[in-house]
Amino acid sequence: AQKITQTQPGMFVQEKEAVTLDCTYDTSDPSYGLFWYKQPSSGEMIFLIYQGSYDQQNATEGRYSLNFQKARKSANLVISASQLGDSAMYFCAMRHNAGNMLTFGGGTRLMVKP
Amino acid sequence: ETGVTQTPRHLVMGMTNKKSLKCEQHLGHNAMYWYKQSAKKPLELMFVYNFKEQTENNSVPSRFSPECPNSSHLFLHLHTLQPEDSALYLCASSPEWGGDTEAFFGQGTRLTVV
Repeated sequence: AQKITQTQPGMFVQEKEAVTLDCTYDTSDPSYGLFWYKQPSSGEMIFLIYQGSYDQQNATEGRYSLNFQKARKSANLVISASQLGDSAMYFCAMRHNAGNMLTFGGGTRLMVKP
Repeated sequence: ETGVTQTPRHLVMGMTNKKSLKCEQHLGHNAMYWYKQSAKKPLELMFVYNFKEQTENNSVPSRFSPECPNSSHLFLHLHTLQPEDSALYLCASSPEWGGDTEAFFGQGTRLTVV
């Protein structure tokens, strides 16, 4: 069975500093995709970044980068130069089973301090 | 502004009521999903529709009844719910089934069953 684990229920980071949000996964599928979503208090899940299991390089999108370590089955999100607007819940998710169904982790609440 | 719109944003209903949640997307996507987000639990996939056909029912109780009249609209009909069904219900869509693409989420309907 596929499983996503986010071990940090909550984290603080100082504004303008970088922060790493942890995500580990477990799957027996050779092909899978890893996603990070941001959920502000408004409720909408906002897509941030994607990493395919066969991608050779770590994904980057602006201030977001994904530290993909396939052998360790980890896909940590790195946010550089944190902003107050980054305060939100962050979810790691995995696509599997040849469909577009996503399994989500429990989430990490990030709080950016001014 | 999200490409996936959910109405209503908030809903309070009694256990004997019948109500419906609506989801609409004009992104040209062919797959649509219902997720349930309860407090302190990971997002749970409920239903998947691909080209208007239900392809996944994740052991959801029959008091939740989905309907997908066309690729742009998805409904979740609710009847005789329980207080533990109170949650944020998120709709999502994706361009295709099985592709390396992210799902786009609506802002959710926050449901309270009293």
